[in-house]
Amino acid sequence: DTGVSQNPRHKITKRGQNVTFRCDPISEHNRLYWYRQTLGQGPEFLTYFQNEAQLEKSRLLSDRFSAERPKGSFSTLEIQRTEQGDSAMYLCASSLDWGQTAEQYFGPGTRLTVT
Amino acid sequence: AQSVSQHNHHVILSEAASLELGCNYSYGGTVNLFWYVQYPGQHLQLLLKYFSGDPLVKGIKGFEAEFIKSKFSFNLRKPSVQWSDTAEYFCAVNAWGYGSSNTGKLIFGQGTTLQVKP
Repeated sequence: DTGVSQNPRHKITKRGQNVTFRCDPISEHNRLYWYRQTLGQGPEFLTYFQNEAQLEKSRLLSDRFSAERPKGSFSTLEIQRTEQGDSAMYLCASSLDWGQTAEQYFGPGTRLTVT
Repeated sequence: AQSVSQHNHHVILSEAASLELGCNYSYGGTVNLFWYVQYPGQHLQLLLKYFSGDPLVKGIKGFEAEFIKSKFSFNLRKPSVQWSDTAEYFCAVNAWGYGSSNTGKLIFGQGTTLQVKP
């Protein structure tokens, strides 16, 4: 399978715990995005990497959230001290950097439930 | 702030009926426009996209969309829906200003759930 993969697919955690999600993009894609989707809403942009550089962060990304993309390959999204409001589907997408017409391919997402 | 509005939240159609889903965006600069589809239990997939040129774009599975710049709209259409089109549909906009680089960030609408009755 050469698509975007995400692990784990589901995560249940207690409030206050830390969680980490992983995204493996399509191998030749240098752009990587994280989005969050809550029930009944469209995905909301969280952050963007070009290679290993994190170039944009949404104001939705509080200090409890941190994302990395070491060596410009896979990426991790960590949420510290989880809150019930963090319950959502976390989506990863990747794309090639080719002029102004980048098209994103999405992974299956990680569904987080905070109890 | 940029925003995308999808007018229909839940649409129910019978097979063979025609479909039109509305999408409007608020941004005056350069835009790329997308429709994504999410079938039950599956991840988001690209249905079609508009970057430039002919404002009528054709996508997979018989879908098409028309970009009307003056109306800031990008409505999705299909002349005859099938039961297998039951899914959630998302309109998305990628916008950037003159002189700035395009990060590719997508702004999504809230989605439209389409239910097709056999």
